[in-house]
Amino acid sequence: SQKIEQNSEALNIQEGKTATLTCNYTNYSPAYLQWYRQDPGRGPVFLLLIRENEKEKRKERLKVTFDTTLKQSLFHITASQPADSATYLCAAGGYGQNFVFGPGTRLSVLP
Amino acid sequence: GAVVSQHPSWVICKSGTSVKIECRSLDFQATTMFWYRQFPKQSLMLMATSNEGSKATYEQGVEKDKFLINHASLTLSTLTVTSAHPEDSSFYICSARDVGGAQETQYFGPGTRLLVL
Repeated sequence: SQKIEQNSEALNIQEGKTATLTCNYTNYSPAYLQWYRQDPGRGPVFLLLIRENEKEKRKERLKVTFDTTLKQSLFHITASQPADSATYLCAAGGYGQNFVFGPGTRLSVLP
Repeated sequence: GAVVSQHPSWVICKSGTSVKIECRSLDFQATTMFWYRQFPKQSLMLMATSNEGSKATYEQGVEKDKFLINHASLTLSTLTVTSAHPEDSSFYICSARDVGGAQETQYFGPGTRLLVL
């Protein structure tokens, strides 16, 4: 069955460093991947989408890559801040198909 | 940007009662809305896809008679948890797909926390 995995349940980094989160998929060839931020007790907020024919996407301090050979997406937050602390969800989708969400990685940026 | 609201934001009810949760798209039309459930420290699990004017499509393992979905207009979908039991306690989140937007775009509501005593 289709499976989305995120590298770790929790990740702690120091303020100012770059946070790198990993999303791997198996038994699946998604047309696009999306990254969401979810704060406790809140719904997910869309951050970035990257399509299968795109290698990299950037938005301010955020960068996403999509490697269809490795079946992996990397999500980077540069110059991280304590306000970036949240759970980040990876979701894979295909046209006409519903999203499949990963379990999320809880990021803590320490001051 | 597009906004999706949910009401109520949290509800506590007794076992055996029914609870209705509303999901509204505030500034766009949504022919398709999705209902998810999320247990603590777990990811979002799709329960059903709600299409305006037609029956909802339920994911495997989701009881359609227990989780009633109605999508009567392009801006409103409701989820009714019938005869709720403590195991139904969870965080319910809806999302909506903008009719006029890219197919990949889904906007999520803030969620409804349900506690069944």
